[in-house]
Amino acid sequence: EDKVVQSPLSLVVHEGDTVTLNCSYEVTNFRSLLWYKQEKKAPTFLFMLTSSGIEKKSGRLSSILDKKELSSILNITATQTGDSAIYLCAVADQGAQKLVFGQGTRLTINP
Amino acid sequence: DAGITQSPRHKVTETGTPVTLRCHQTENHRYMYWYRQDPGHGLRLIHYSYGVKDTDKGEVSDGYSVSRSKTEDFLLTLESATSSQTSVYFCAISAPGTSGANVLTFGAGSRLTVL
Repeated sequence: EDKVVQSPLSLVVHEGDTVTLNCSYEVTNFRSLLWYKQEKKAPTFLFMLTSSGIEKKSGRLSSILDKKELSSILNITATQTGDSAIYLCAVADQGAQKLVFGQGTRLTINP
Repeated sequence: DAGITQSPRHKVTETGTPVTLRCHQTENHRYMYWYRQDPGHGLRLIHYSYGVKDTDKGEVSDGYSVSRSKTEDFLLTLESATSSQTSVYFCAISAPGTSGANVLTFGAGSRLTVL
């Protein structure tokens, strides 16, 4: 059974700090790994990483996939209070059109 | 919310009563999903559909049934609600065969409280 584990579960930092969120996975036939940000309502898509695209960057956010270690990290530099959210990691299996999610990391940025 | 509407958005019900949550999409996407979200568990898949009348179970399907009679509508039914089904329910859609085949787009969620 596919499994995704995120760490830490909760993180509190000060505005301006850099944070690294972790995601490890077990999947039979890896297809892709996705990161989502969830504020008050629905999760919103951030990045998708695949074997052909192991590194993504958008502004202060970046993500890397390590297929050897079966893991991914999400980095946020120069954090702002608007980065406060739950960050969700999910993986997709080659054979299934569905995502398995981790528990999420609750990130709080204090001014 | 990218053409996904969930209803009702909030519902309080009593143990033993039936409840139906509706997900409506205007994107004509083939795949639709129901997830539940609880503290400490992230998002867990209940059921999903890969076409009209084609559905399959997820990891937490006990106590839930689904139906999809039209491409745009995916219904989640709790035949006899229990307190353990108190949760936030999210509907999601995806369009396989595109460059973002695994990218799910989520509705705003339906908060269900079972007393």
